[in-house]
Amino acid sequence: DAGVIQSPRHEVTEMGQEVTLRCKPISGHNSLFWYRQTMMRGLELLIYFNNNVPIDDSGMPEDRFSAKMPNASFSTLKIQPSEPRDSAVYFCASRDSSYEQYFGPGTRLTVT
Amino acid sequence: AQRVTQPEKLLSVFKGAPVELKCNYSYSGSPELFWYVQYSRQRLQLLLRHISRESIKGFTADLNKGETSFHLKKPFAQEEDSAMYYCALSGDYGQNFVFGPGTRLSVLP
Repeated sequence: DAGVIQSPRHEVTEMGQEVTLRCKPISGHNSLFWYRQTMMRGLELLIYFNNNVPIDDSGMPEDRFSAKMPNASFSTLKIQPSEPRDSAVYFCASRDSSYEQYFGPGTRLTVT
Repeated sequence: AQRVTQPEKLLSVFKGAPVELKCNYSYSGSPELFWYVQYSRQRLQLLLRHISRESIKGFTADLNKGETSFHLKKPFAQEEDSAMYYCALSGDYGQNFVFGPGTRLSVLP
C-alpha cells in the first residue's frame, strides 16, 4: 500500500480563490482525519469522519471551510474564499481498527 | 473534556545525555496514549503506544495513571533524534482523539 496520499503537495493561491485539498486514505481504514499545522498553533484537528460520516467538525475554523467524504477512498477539504491566515500545512490521516493514525505527506498551502 | 499537555515547547540536550519529554493528560475514561514523531519536513509517524509496551529507537514511555502522565524517555540522545514529538490520546472506542501541542527536541553535538 502506498500509504495515505494527498494532493497537491504544494499549493500557492491568491486571497479570495477557492482551494481544494484531496486525500486518499489507506484501503480498509474506516476513519479519516484532517489536521492543520502551523508554527503558532501546532497541530489542530479540523474534522474527522467515521465510515464516511462526519463525526466531529468542531475544529473547522469557520464556514469558509468544508470537508466531504463521498466514499471510503476519497476526501476533500475545501476553503472558499481563502485568506492569508489559512496558510499552513494540511495533513490527512486515516486510522485502522487499532486506533493508530497513519498520516499523509501533507499539503503546504500558501495564500498570498 | 479530554486534554493533552506538553509543558516544554523546546528541549535541547547534548548528544549522549538522557532525555525526557513530558506529557500529561486529562480524560475521565480509559485512554490510549501515543507518541508521534515528525522529522524535518516529513509526515508524522507513530513512535510508540502505551499498550504495546515496547521500545522504539531506544525510546520508552510508561503510562502512569496516578499522575496521568505518559512521559517519553531515552537514556542516551542521538543527533538523529532531533524532531518534533507529539503526545496524543485516544478515548474510549477511538473517540475523542487529541494531540498535544508538541515538543521540539534538539540534540546538540
